[in-house]
Amino acid sequence: QSVLTQPPSASGTPGQRVTISCSGSNSNIGSTFVYWYQQFPGTTPKLLIYKNDQLASGVPDRFSGSKSGTSGSLAISGLRSEDEANYYCAAWDDSLSGPVFGGGTKLTVL
Amino acid sequence: QITLKESGPALVKPTETLTLTCTISGFSLSTSGVGVGWIRQPPGKALEWLTLIYWDDDKRYSPSLKSRLTVTKDTSKKQVVLTMINMDPVDTATYYCALFDPSGSFDYWGQGTLVTVSS
Repeated sequence: QSVLTQPPSASGTPGQRVTISCSGSNSNIGSTFVYWYQQFPGTTPKLLIYKNDQLASGVPDRFSGSKSGTSGSLAISGLRSEDEANYYCAAWDDSLSGPVFGGGTKLTVL
Repeated sequence: QITLKESGPALVKPTETLTLTCTISGFSLSTSGVGVGWIRQPPGKALEWLTLIYWDDDKRYSPSLKSRLTVTKDTSKKQVVLTMINMDPVDTATYYCALFDPSGSFDYWGQGTLVTVSS
């Protein structure tokens, strides 16, 4: 059971806009930043978004992040087939004194 | 160029102790704010943070695994070592080390090493 809650799956068609949510609490997202990682099957996770809405180096601006209260959100506009991957949110948790991850969302491009 | 690489046994028996080494390059373990973390991922499952060690030797552990984990660093060897005692089949996972940036993100990741726990 992950500390941060994500939907297990999401889907969209090419060109669509898709959002993935990440729900936390006051001890994590509510008091600090949200981060997003992309992971293709069999590969290493890659940082996509840091500090809620900052794009990591080399990440196309089709990706965007936001935070409101104790929830974060990742949006992908102009969906492409190569965006099909697993996406994980993360945040620092003050109660645990360490980072926590969401359970991951598998994005399928139909 | 920043790189991290995990090394260690691919197979351990139940109750044994796992020792993994993360060898870094392109940054220093003594740079203020820098940390190296260990994260694991069971096959087909989510990422799970295990431990963090900072430049000043401050250490953080996942509360659920704290009693089984030890992390150390050797700045001169550019290595971070993870030790996990009393291994169980449920500990079968790919173990990653990653650079923890002062901004709070795991910016760079090792390739990961798959550890299977089986008799």
